[in-house]
Amino acid sequence: ETGVTQSPTHLIKTRGQQVTLRCSSQSGHNTVSWYQQALGQGPQFIFQYYREEENGRGNFPPRFSGLQFPNYSSELNVNALELDDSALYLCASSLTSGGPEQFFGPGTRLTVL
Amino acid sequence: KNEVEQSPQNLTAQEGEFITINCSYSVGISALHWLQQHPGGGIVSLFMLSSGKKKHGRLIATINIQEKHSSLHITASHPRDSAVYICAVFYNTDKLIFGTGTRLQVFP
Repeated sequence: ETGVTQSPTHLIKTRGQQVTLRCSSQSGHNTVSWYQQALGQGPQFIFQYYREEENGRGNFPPRFSGLQFPNYSSELNVNALELDDSALYLCASSLTSGGPEQFFGPGTRLTVL
Repeated sequence: KNEVEQSPQNLTAQEGEFITINCSYSVGISALHWLQQHPGGGIVSLFMLSSGKKKHGRLIATINIQEKHSSLHITASHPRDSAVYICAVFYNTDKLIFGTGTRLQVFP
């Protein structure tokens, strides 16, 4: 148990819809990172939030957006879903000190039909 | 070319065998993670290394910063070790670059 939770565990959407995925970090972890893991691939960095501000972004289009809240929860929003967005979405939290150790949630598996 | 390369991609073993998974990276890093991912997706951090060697139970991880190479060893492998093992590196900041993983199956 890492103390990081994600909801929902599974989700099915259709192309063009919008989706919100949620993550609850460990208390005291002010940094949260989101990753997309396509089937058979390693996770790819989407973006990171530190103290409610975006703190770096990977090679993902603007329709991927996020929010981080003061209660250590965060959201990943994806607009105008495409078939290729089908993947496992992982969030990971880390300590305010900026140490590289990250604690992963169990992931949300998104299927876009 | 990926910045983090793992080998082999797939590995099968008989229970009790000694297993080695290799990771090579092409960027300067501040730390390297070995992660375990079971079917269903959850990722567990096994080790975080910046130099030398770490051991936890039957797992040993080593890193050679000069050669940009790390290995994960499993001694006396067991079917419950079956999982995907992922190497991930931190560089510049605390953002991870992941390898594509090594799928390990250990048969009784």
